[in-house]
Amino acid sequence: QVQLAESGGGVVQPGRSLRLSCAASGFTFNTYSMHWVRQAPGKGLEWVAVISYDGSNAFYADSVKGRFTISRDNSKNTLFLQMNSLSVEDTAVYYCARGAVGATGGEPNDYWGRGTLVTVSS
Amino acid sequence: DIVMTQSPDSLAVSLGERATINCKSSQSVLYSSNSKSYLAWYQKKPGQPPKLLISWASTRESGVPDRFSGSGSATDFTLTISSLQAEDVAVYYCQQYYSSLHSFGQGTRLEIK
Repeated sequence: QVQLAESGGGVVQPGRSLRLSCAASGFTFNTYSMHWVRQAPGKGLEWVAVISYDGSNAFYADSVKGRFTISRDNSKNTLFLQMNSLSVEDTAVYYCARGAVGATGGEPNDYWGRGTLVTVSS
Repeated sequence: DIVMTQSPDSLAVSLGERATINCKSSQSVLYSSNSKSYLAWYQKKPGQPPKLLISWASTRESGVPDRFSGSGSATDFTLTISSLQAEDVAVYYCQQYYSSLHSFGQGTRLEIK
């Protein structure tokens, strides 16, 4: 069965960096685009970033562009989110989610991890 | 970027009654070549990841009760729960996946009256 498991969350000071990971299993990872979505405390879902199946294309929400980098290691079935210059507004539960086969758009996010909490605080 | 707007922000419905949530996109998410609207609905409960309920505006995912239905096309969409059950208390989100930037609506909180 499809499983996604995020890790790497924790408490970090403003301006610092953090790297999240998402371990995937139960499907052919290297054929699917993958997404990061976050939910700040008491707020709604916010789409963050997507990466194509081969890592050749990536797109970002304006709120994280230039600070976050999505990447993947298909040999290890793992998705990453490098988060730099963190601010308190980045405090959220971060979810990885499976996307479309091949393309970065065109299909909904059908499987999700349970999320990892990132808290940005001094 | 495509902006998704839901209404209402919150809704209280009696058990067994109908609940209706609306979603509007700032531009059409209807792909003319296949006549499909790239619109999904998710259910979000505290401490759980979002659950995909409906894709392509009206296609129920496997295992989703048939009291959940989706309708609409292009820019205007509706999620209907025909007979509200206690376990349906949640926040519901629409999402467009027409663009690679999969934007969500702000969410609609559904409660029992």
